[in-house]
Amino acid sequence: DGGITQSPKYLFRKEGQNVTLSCEQNLNHDAMYWYRQDPGQGLRLIYYSQIVNDFQKGDIAEGYSVSREKKESFPLTVTSAQKNPTAFYLCASSIRRVGNTEAFFGQGTRLTVV
Amino acid sequence: EDQVTQSPEALRLQEGESSSLNCSYTVSGLRGLFWYRQDPGKGPEFLFTLYSAGEEKEKERLKATLTKKESFLHITAPKPEDSATYLCAVQAAGYQKVTFGIGTKLQVIP
Repeated sequence: DGGITQSPKYLFRKEGQNVTLSCEQNLNHDAMYWYRQDPGQGLRLIYYSQIVNDFQKGDIAEGYSVSREKKESFPLTVTSAQKNPTAFYLCASSIRRVGNTEAFFGQGTRLTVV
Repeated sequence: EDQVTQSPEALRLQEGESSSLNCSYTVSGLRGLFWYRQDPGKGPEFLFTLYSAGEEKEKERLKATLTKKESFLHITAPKPEDSATYLCAVQAAGYQKVTFGIGTKLQVIP
C-alpha cells in the first residue's frame, strides 16, 4: 500500500539532545512537508521541500533542520536550540511541487521532552 | 497575512441531527481550500478541495461548499463514526504554503 510512514510514533528527548524524526513516502510525490501541531493552534509549517536536495523554511524553522537526499525521505532533526519541542509532528507529501494539490499526511510522531 | 477561522470550536450532535461547520478565510487570491478530517492521535485525512466560489463537493454524509469569504462543511444525518476534528486550510495563489485553521471538534452521540 502506498502511503507516508513516520517513525517513531512516540519519542522522548532529554533537554540538550538532538533527535531525528523519520518520514518516508512511497507515493512518488515531489513535495514533502513538516508541520507541528499544538493544542489550540492550527498546523504550523516548519520546513518544506519541493525537490530533492532543496528545501525552504516555513513559519517556525528555528531550532529545526531537515535534509532531502532522496525523493522518498525527508527527516526532521529537532535540535537543542528548539526551546519548546514538545508537540505532535506531522509529515506530509503532495504530488506536485506547485499548484493546489492536496497533501497526504503520516500518522505523526509525538515528541516529549523529559 | 492569510487567516483561517473555524467555528464552532466544538460541536456536539445527536446521531441523525444535521448541522454545518464554518470556515471563514482571508487570503490574497485563493488557489484552493481544503477540508481534512483528523482522528485523535492520527494524521489528518484529506476530504475535499474547492477551487472557486459556488463550487460544491460531496462524500457520503459530507458536503462542502465555497463562497468568496467562507466555506461550509454540511453533515447530514451524522453517525458516531463521524466524530473527529475537521480542519480547514487555504492556499494562496502563487505560494506553496497552506494555512490551517484550528479545527472544529465534532462529537456525534448515539
